[in-house]
Amino acid sequence: GDSVTQMEGPVTLSEEAFLTINCTYTATGYPSLFWYVQYPGEGLQLLLKATKADDKGSNKGFEATYRKETTSFHLEKGSVQVSDSAVYFCALSAGGTSYGKLTFGQGTILTVHP
Amino acid sequence: NAGVTQTPKFRILKIGQSMTLQCAQDMNHNYMYWYRQDPGMGLKLIYYSVGAGITDKGEVPNGYNVSRSTTEDFPLRLELAAPSQTSVYFCASTAVGDTHYFGPGTRLTVL
Repeated sequence: GDSVTQMEGPVTLSEEAFLTINCTYTATGYPSLFWYVQYPGEGLQLLLKATKADDKGSNKGFEATYRKETTSFHLEKGSVQVSDSAVYFCALSAGGTSYGKLTFGQGTILTVHP
Repeated sequence: NAGVTQTPKFRILKIGQSMTLQCAQDMNHNYMYWYRQDPGMGLKLIYYSVGAGITDKGEVPNGYNVSRSTTEDFPLRLELAAPSQTSVYFCASTAVGDTHYFGPGTRLTVL
């Protein structure tokens, strides 16, 4: 079945540091890939997405590129801020008869210190 | 436009009690979902619906039931609550192929 694996966390960084959170996936066909963010006490919200190979999703300084050859969708940001502290989830939607269902990674807790 | 709303926000149940978690959306989305979030485990799909009157099981449906009588509402019923159902529950909706919109969650504790 479909699966998503994220790098082990938590991740602790200083403000303005470079961020990478690794995400790899297993899926049949050509899934859409997503990064969702969950701020403390809130629900999940979409951070960025990519729907086909080599697409780059970007939002709020975050970027991720859909790499079919390595089945990866790593999240990056050049300079993190304290306000980026949150839990980040990589997810896929397999399309077709999956009816939009999302398969999530386990989440990565990011803490950014001033 | 309220998006996806969930009630209650918090609830404590005793073992064997029952309850219904409410979910509503005002975006006219056909697809709705219930996920549970356990610490360090990501989100798991409990049930989903592709339209009024149509529901199906997800990855972890045991101990839960759903109904979808209208496009807007998708309640989740817990029968005979067990400690293993202690979790945070999220409802979500989407237009097919588009972004999931999540509610704020219900934190449930079963003692």
